[in-house]
Amino acid sequence: NAGVTQTPKFQVLKTGQSMTLQCAQDMNHEYMSWYRQDPGMGLRLIHYSVGAGITDQGEVPNGYNVSRSTTEDFPLRLLSAAPSQTSVYFCASSNGQTYNSPLHFGNGTRLTVT
Amino acid sequence: KNEVEQSPQNLTAQEGEFITINCSYSVGISALHWLQQHPGGGIVSLFMLSSGKKKHGRLIATINIQEKHSSLHITASHPRDSAVYICAVRPWGGSQGNLIFGKGTKLSVKP
Repeated sequence: NAGVTQTPKFQVLKTGQSMTLQCAQDMNHEYMSWYRQDPGMGLRLIHYSVGAGITDQGEVPNGYNVSRSTTEDFPLRLLSAAPSQTSVYFCASSNGQTYNSPLHFGNGTRLTVT
Repeated sequence: KNEVEQSPQNLTAQEGEFITINCSYSVGISALHWLQQHPGGGIVSLFMLSSGKKKHGRLIATINIQEKHSSLHITASHPRDSAVYICAVRPWGGSQGNLIFGKGTKLSVKP
């Protein structure tokens, strides 16, 4: 059981480049989310999804797009990378139908934009 | 003002000590999570609770909904407990993904 798989682990981009961070889970979880973690700040929600075909914005959505075409996959797209998007990104999932369900996190993607 | 405040920010303990990390929040919540982030960066869910107390091994989490406060206790601490401990709350009406996170408490346990 792989859990939540994020790729890549590390990425360096130049300003203006685009890329997609991949996230996949094999637990049939309905809820999936993307967070960014910056020094001195708590994790902040970028986008989330409550099921296939449904996405919504979180606290810091600007500069990012998501889609949820399948239950398993929830990719995060950076449209035109900026240095302010240098951060560590985490994908997480949980079974939203179960009240006492924990969050499952991927191992993170460390992104540097130069 | 942050909606989720953790204290202390940093904590150094000797192996074997009893450790308490506190989390206070200002919004009405339906659930509270305690997470552990190891130096390698991975995040693991320790507890999710909405009332009372939960125990797993040497870890105990308590919550007082009326006082908007939760504590994470570690008994007989060990160097492998060294990590950042993060509190996160799910506001009333929020989805599972819509959490508010504290900034974390960095724990270092010395042998």
